[in-house]
Amino acid sequence: KQEVTQIPAALSVPEGENLVLNCSFTDSAIYNLQWFRQDPGKGLTSLLLIQSSQREQTSGRLNASLDKSSGRSTLYIAASQPGDSATYLCADQGGSEKLVFGKGTKLTVNP
Amino acid sequence: GAGVSQSPSNKVTEKGKDVELRCDPISGHTALYWYRQSLGQGLEFLIYFQGNSAPDKSGLPSDRFSAERTGGSVSTLTIQRTQQEDSAVYLCASSRQTQETQYFGPGTRLLVL
Repeated sequence: KQEVTQIPAALSVPEGENLVLNCSFTDSAIYNLQWFRQDPGKGLTSLLLIQSSQREQTSGRLNASLDKSSGRSTLYIAASQPGDSATYLCADQGGSEKLVFGKGTKLTVNP
Repeated sequence: GAGVSQSPSNKVTEKGKDVELRCDPISGHTALYWYRQSLGQGLEFLIYFQGNSAPDKSGLPSDRFSAERTGGSVSTLTIQRTQQEDSAVYLCASSRQTQETQYFGPGTRLLVL
């Protein structure tokens, strides 16, 4: 059974800091790994999707990497802003097509 | 363009009642997913539809839960004889094809009293 773990569960940083969120998964046979953000009381917003054949994806200040051999993905946020405050979720998609989610990292960026 | 929509946004019901939750996926998306987000439990998969194939029901927690997708578009998740442990946010997502980005709706918050 695939398990996805996110560390830390919560993170508080000052505005402008670069930060890394971690995601690990137990089964390396995945199709892709996706990062989402969730604002309080809202649904999920897709940030980045990394195919299993890729090593990283970038969108603006966000960079996500994937290392299948070690079962790890990281989300790098550059020059963090208060608007980045949210819960960040990683999820992998394996042979059963469903997404298996971690429990998320709650990020607070302080002005 | 329009995203995934869900209705109702909130639902309060009494234990033992049946509820229906609706999902309108993005037009043209062939794959549709239902997930549940419970406090402290994280997001868990419930059911998945792809085109005309038989749905993957492996995540449904009990036979009180069922879902259908009519005409390859709108989906309805039905919970019969609701229990308090069914209280959660029910999220629907769609993707153009499987293994592509899943786009989520805002969810339906279900509270069973």
